[in-house]
Amino acid sequence: AQSVSQHNHHVILSEAASLELGCNYSYGGTVNLFWYVQYPGQHLQLLLKYFSGDPLVKGIKGFEAEFIKSKFSFNLRKPSVQWSDTAEYFCAVRISSASKIIFGSGTRLSIRP
Amino acid sequence: DAGVIQSPRHEVTEMGQEVTLRCKPISGHNSLFWYRQTMMRGLELLIYFNNNVPIDDSGMPEDRFSAKMPNASFSTLKIQPSEPRDSAVYFCASSLADRGSPLHFGNGTRLTVT
Repeated sequence: AQSVSQHNHHVILSEAASLELGCNYSYGGTVNLFWYVQYPGQHLQLLLKYFSGDPLVKGIKGFEAEFIKSKFSFNLRKPSVQWSDTAEYFCAVRISSASKIIFGSGTRLSIRP
Repeated sequence: DAGVIQSPRHEVTEMGQEVTLRCKPISGHNSLFWYRQTMMRGLELLIYFNNNVPIDDSGMPEDRFSAKMPNASFSTLKIQPSEPRDSAVYFCASSLADRGSPLHFGNGTRLTVT
């Protein structure tokens, strides 16, 4: 069965530090990949997505992610985090138009001012 | 666009009562998803519909849970009877039935069963 793994459950960084959150999926075929963010008390919002083409995708608020097919990975990065980036981040995968979107367990990001 | 609309925002009920959560997807979206979020289990997919037809309900916890989508603009998730362990935030999300289309989430319903 398809699955999405986020190995970092809680990441704590200081402002201006660089961020990389890991995401791995298990599926050998064509996938679409997403990163969502959930700010405290809010619903999930789309950060960025990979559909095809350039494996380096840029999203909102300075986030980017790189799709590495050989590693089944789609890691999220940001060169310099801000306190306002404190949130939970979810990686998700969709494998066909009729299939469900599978979410990882999420990574909680805490930023020290 | 008004986005995905869920109601109520908060629901507090006693164990044994029936609870009905409502969702209006974004107009034109033909896929609808119900998720449950708790601290212990994270974000769980309960059921999803394509073109008003339930496709996968394997995430529905048990027979106490049921979901319907009578038309393209409305869905309900019902819990009868409710139990304290059902306390969670329930999210509805919609998308186009295209694998590149992201989900758009509603603001969720925070359910507390006492």
